[in-house]
Amino acid sequence: GIQVEQSPPDLILQEGANSTLRCNFSDSVNNLQWFHQNPWGQLINLFYIPSGTKQNGRLSATTVATERYSLLYISSSQTTDSGVYFCAVFTSGTYKYIFGTGTRLKVLA
Amino acid sequence: DAGVIQSPRHEVTEMGQEVTLRCKPISGHDYLFWYRQTMMRGLELLIYFNNNVPIDDSGMPEDRFSAKMPNASFSTLKIQPSEPRDSAVYFCASSWQGAGTQYFGPGTRLLVL
Repeated sequence: GIQVEQSPPDLILQEGANSTLRCNFSDSVNNLQWFHQNPWGQLINLFYIPSGTKQNGRLSATTVATERYSLLYISSSQTTDSGVYFCAVFTSGTYKYIFGTGTRLKVLA
Repeated sequence: DAGVIQSPRHEVTEMGQEVTLRCKPISGHDYLFWYRQTMMRGLELLIYFNNNVPIDDSGMPEDRFSAKMPNASFSTLKIQPSEPRDSAVYFCASSWQGAGTQYFGPGTRLLVL
């Protein structure tokens, strides 16, 4: 089945720093989502981005489906950005989302 | 809308007991998903429904697990009998269309002693 790999697995930043999280997938996908799981365990969807670029405040995401990767940019990070970031890809073959293993981010004050 | 609602939020039970987890999806969504999250296996899809009909239950670990969706606004995930290895956080999510944006509930943290 499709493989979804996220990098880096762990990231520690000082408040105010920028970061880029990457999601690679091994096969063609129809859709892709980015989620943030906060320290309380809640999964919050950030972007629904099968292709192209989207921005929402300090966060933006780019998916290049032809090259099988997506990037999540966090600018001017804040302590509230801490948590785990997951990408999930949807394929018409399986007709379900497959989640990556996540990037654990810790932002220090 | 109140979002996806799950109950209970926490459940502690003893091995061998029956556990029932409940989910109310977002009104108007036609897909409902049950996931399990553990440190070892990450986030796994257990089963999903479309218009109340189970479509793919290939992720259900074994016969001790069962899920139902009697109507568009309610679903249950049942474990009988429960075992310590079932301890995990169980999430319910819903979406409009299978490939659409998924909205997750707060999860049920299950501990089986």
